[in-house]
Amino acid sequence: ELKVEQNPLFLSMQEGKNYTIYCNYSTTSDRLYWYRQDPGKSLESLFVLLSNGAVKQEGRLMASLDTKARLSTLHITAAVHDLSATYFCAVDPARTTSGTYKYIFGTGTRLKVLA
Amino acid sequence: SAVISQKPSRDICQRGTSLTIQCQVDSQVTMMFWYRQQPGQSLTLIATANQGSEATYESGFVIDKFPISRPNLTFSTLTVSNMSPEDSSIYLCSATGYTEAFFGQGTRLTVV
Repeated sequence: ELKVEQNPLFLSMQEGKNYTIYCNYSTTSDRLYWYRQDPGKSLESLFVLLSNGAVKQEGRLMASLDTKARLSTLHITAAVHDLSATYFCAVDPARTTSGTYKYIFGTGTRLKVLA
Repeated sequence: SAVISQKPSRDICQRGTSLTIQCQVDSQVTMMFWYRQQPGQSLTLIATANQGSEATYESGFVIDKFPISRPNLTFSTLTVSNMSPEDSSIYLCSATGYTEAFFGQGTRLTVV
């Protein structure tokens, strides 16, 4: 069974601190996606990681992908309250074999940044 | 990127009734999907909406309960049939571009 697990599920951190969210997946996928969801809102695309070793940064967030380890990380630098949201990673393993884009989402990490 | 309009944004329905959710994309896309997100949970794929043919359903979801149509490349509907309180959830439409998927704002359904 395909699993996409995120760690931690809940994260409460102080402003100004650094932290990393981990996303492990159990099958081959050459792409990985990170999304942000604010309460009551839809999903906002943050990063698209297209290959092994890919690293992308936007503001205080940096994402990386290791396809051999089946691991992606989302690193938060000097957190601010506006980053409070739920973060999801997603893979599309079916694309590797059949060309379809069928996302499987991770469990989600609910981040709360305390002032 | 694609802009996805989904309606209704929310509804409260009586058990035993049906609700149809509409999804309109502002550009032609290859793939459209429907997801369910229960409160505080991740997204679960219901089905792939195929243009002009029957949708492809994931394990645990059936056509009689969640009929889906996609008459053209930019429009799809999901019907939640014979609703029960367990169907209370957020339903999200998704469309896939070349590199990533985009999501509608979701339909928050409450069944009473």
